[in-house]
Amino acid sequence: AQSVTQLDSQVPVFEEAPVELRCNYSSSVSVYLFWYVQYPNQGLQLLLKYLSGSTLVKGINGFEAEFNKSQTSFHLRKPSVHISDTAEYFCAVSPRSGGSYIPTFGRGTSLIVHP
Amino acid sequence: DAGVIQSPRHEVTEMGQEVTLRCKPISGHNSLFWYRQTMMRGLELLIYFNNNVPIDDSGMPEDRFSAKMPNASFSTLKIQPSEPRDSAVYFCASSRLTGTTGELFFGEGSRLTVL
Repeated sequence: AQSVTQLDSQVPVFEEAPVELRCNYSSSVSVYLFWYVQYPNQGLQLLLKYLSGSTLVKGINGFEAEFNKSQTSFHLRKPSVHISDTAEYFCAVSPRSGGSYIPTFGRGTSLIVHP
Repeated sequence: DAGVIQSPRHEVTEMGQEVTLRCKPISGHNSLFWYRQTMMRGLELLIYFNNNVPIDDSGMPEDRFSAKMPNASFSTLKIQPSEPRDSAVYFCASSRLTGTTGELFFGEGSRLTVL
């Protein structure tokens, strides 16, 4: 079984400031890792994913995330946020093996960008 | 390509009425998921189908909830009778069953309000 912990339920930040959204996971098997973004009144859409290879993954809209196996973390970062980045962000993991690929989602982090 | 299509986008109904939510997955995807999102519980997996067959419905809250997938391009989630605590946003998501990494493609959701 897997579990995902998003350490901050809400992150307020000023426009053009850097931001980090934290995600830790636990799993008995190796996993794929994802970040999804949900803009107001919309569904979730994939921001980026880690499958293998380089531990630094770049996604859409200038976001990137770094996989740290020893710390079982997959934190999301952006060097300079924009008002339009205001949204809910979800971290998720999916087992690489074991038959079920069903992802487990965190509770989400609300990023609020102030002008 | 058309994404996951859900209808209705908004539904307001009175307690005791039947509610039917509809979903058309992405063509070629053979796994379909129904999620419920609330402030209190976050994102909950209700049920998922592989090749039109329900695999795990352990997340369905009560017998008042039922889901069907009569063919590869259509699924319904029915609540009968509805109650105010069913008010939530219901998402449908789809993915490929084979060769998948667990990435899901979400619809825009159906916002249900039960008065």
